Amino acid sequence: AQSVSQHNHHVILSEAASLELGCNYSYGGTVNLFWYVQYPGQHLQLLLKYFSGDPLVKGIKGFEAEFIKSKFSFNLRKPSVQWSDTAEYFCAVTAYNNNDMRFGAGTRLTVKP
Amino acid sequence: DTGVSQDPRHKITKRGQNVTFRCDPISEHNRLYWYRQTLGQGPEFLTYFQNEAQLEKSRLLSDRFSAERPKGSFSTLEIQRTEQGDSAMYLCASSLALNSGNTIYFGEGSWLTVV
Repeated sequence: AQSVSQHNHHVILSEAASLELGCNYSYGGTVNLFWYVQYPGQHLQLLLKYFSGDPLVKGIKGFEAEFIKSKFSFNLRKPSVQWSDTAEYFCAVTAYNNNDMRFGAGTRLTVKP
Repeated sequence: DTGVSQDPRHKITKRGQNVTFRCDPISEHNRLYWYRQTLGQGPEFLTYFQNEAQLEKSRLLSDRFSAERPKGSFSTLEIQRTEQGDSAMYLCASSLALNSGNTIYFGEGSWLTVV
């Protein structure tokens, strides 16, 4: 089965700093990749997803992620974070022939005003 | 609100009691998922339904756990003889077919505290 690793457990940034959160997956076949965000006290919300085509995916709120197949990676980026981006970020993967989504352990982002 | 809804949102129960959670998915979604999430961890897959058929179960789903989706619409997750280790958030999600570019939508979760 597929699995996901998020290397950064907790990231602390100042407003306007650039963000990159790492995500690596292990699965040899075709995958679909996702980033979800969970704001304090709220449910998981989809930030962006990759299914096929352009490996650079743009999502909501200025986030983007790049799928690098050779590195089994799908890192999340934002050029300039805001205090309101403080949340937990989860990378997730579904294998093409499976029907369950596997999540990484999450990265907590704290943005200082 | 036409999203995934879960009930109850919070449940405190004594060890050894049974609890049941309900999930109402987005109405046109034929796929329904249950996940468990503990503090500091990502959601862990428990089980998945396509319509009323339970197609996959994680080994995390011990024999004290049972999930049903009798008419292919709402689902229930029952935990029998609860243990303190069952304390977690239980997330329900729904989707259409995943390999068609569709997204899994999550509910707000049901918090379980076993005392």
